[in-house]
Amino acid sequence: GIQVEQSPPDLILQEGANSTLRCNFSDSVNNLQWFHQNPWGQLINLFYIPSGTKQNGRLSATTVATERYSLLYISSSQTTDSGVYFCAVGRTGANNLFFGTGTRLTVIP
Amino acid sequence: KAGVTQTPRYLIKTRGQQVTLSCSPISGHRSVSWYQQTPGQGLQFLFEYFSETQRNKGNFPGRFSGRQFSNSRSEMNVSTLELGDSALYLCASREGPGTDTQYFGPGTRLTVL
Repeated sequence: GIQVEQSPPDLILQEGANSTLRCNFSDSVNNLQWFHQNPWGQLINLFYIPSGTKQNGRLSATTVATERYSLLYISSSQTTDSGVYFCAVGRTGANNLFFGTGTRLTVIP
Repeated sequence: KAGVTQTPRYLIKTRGQQVTLSCSPISGHRSVSWYQQTPGQGLQFLFEYFSETQRNKGNFPGRFSGRQFSNSRSEMNVSTLELGDSALYLCASREGPGTDTQYFGPGTRLTVL
């Protein structure tokens, strides 16, 4: 399978701070998604971003597929941003996603 | 559209029992995948179904099985439960082969005593 590494494993921020989460993967992919897992366990879709840059409000993501990494930016963090962020990758035509171990973000007021 | 739904949300079983979990995909989605999440192994792919056929299977023992019905709803079954099967089981749906974005349900938290 594809190895996915996320860093940092843990991140503690003051409310209002910015952060960058990184995802490295071991093989070429054409499917990459970022998820936020809420305290109840549900994975919430943030971005589908196999390449390029996307923005959604305070969140943005960039994937450089040729260099096998993706970045998730969170600006002006809020306490509701707390949780675990997962990067997952796959290949079109294959049916499964390979997940990283996640970054646990804690935003303190 | 309603999201992916999973039932039950919580389940407690004892070793040796079997369990069936249910997943209803987003309306119009025909592909359903199952994942297991544990603290030790993280999120791992179990299997995917499309048009009532299993298309791919992860590296899990035969005690883990599934099926899909003609309305795209899916069930997974775990027989002869072991303590290590305690996990959050997540179901994801997508429109079908050739579409990549997967949408996850809230999960079923299984505890095996």
